[in-house]
Amino acid sequence: DTGVSQDPRHKITKRGQNVTFRCDPISEHNRLYWYRQTLGQGPEFLTYFQNEAQLEKSRLLSDRFSAERPKGSFSTLEIQRTEQGDSAMYLCASSLAGAWATNYGYTFGSGTRLTVV
Amino acid sequence: QKEVEQNSGPLSVPEGAIASLNCTYSDRGSQSFFWYRQYSGKSPELIMSIYSNGDKEDGRFTAQLNKASQYVSLLIRDSQPSDSATYLCAVHAGNMLTFGGGTRLMVKP
Repeated sequence: DTGVSQDPRHKITKRGQNVTFRCDPISEHNRLYWYRQTLGQGPEFLTYFQNEAQLEKSRLLSDRFSAERPKGSFSTLEIQRTEQGDSAMYLCASSLAGAWATNYGYTFGSGTRLTVV
Repeated sequence: QKEVEQNSGPLSVPEGAIASLNCTYSDRGSQSFFWYRQYSGKSPELIMSIYSNGDKEDGRFTAQLNKASQYVSLLIRDSQPSDSATYLCAVHAGNMLTFGGGTRLMVKP
């Protein structure tokens, strides 16, 4: 396992449809993060997991968004009833907890680019 | 007020010059600071981290931290056209990284 994998790389969907993205973190990393990045902006934090527990959610994460990490390994991010404003790059990152994250930061996946038409 | 501020640029420098990128942050409890490079359409890639006041050098890159002024900078020496990218400043506080909006750097041959 050489990095963080995200699938799909690109997704085009019609407004109102549901979409689901998958992230496979680096296998030994127990923390997994989801960020959203729109054009010309830096990544914005959405939520993070430590193992299977979702420990923090941003107020950016509306009720239409849900994330899971059922076995503490891969994670899914689902967006229900997509809106054009959801068009963005969705980035997943992973790290070890504690001092590792503080000292070494996060490793990002390649991202899933969502376009809502 | 954004927690991590960067000038969006573009910052244009000639090849071989020093590029200086700056970042300020608002949370005095911030523990560590990172610079990520992001090419267009790609994901962020970590290039430097710094935790203590002063300078940290890695090849052509030097990160500088001044916690009293809540200021972080990145110097890129001998800039190359391949350095043209957006540079994201990120600050670790609590349990997450908070990113600035990024500075777009253009290195002209």
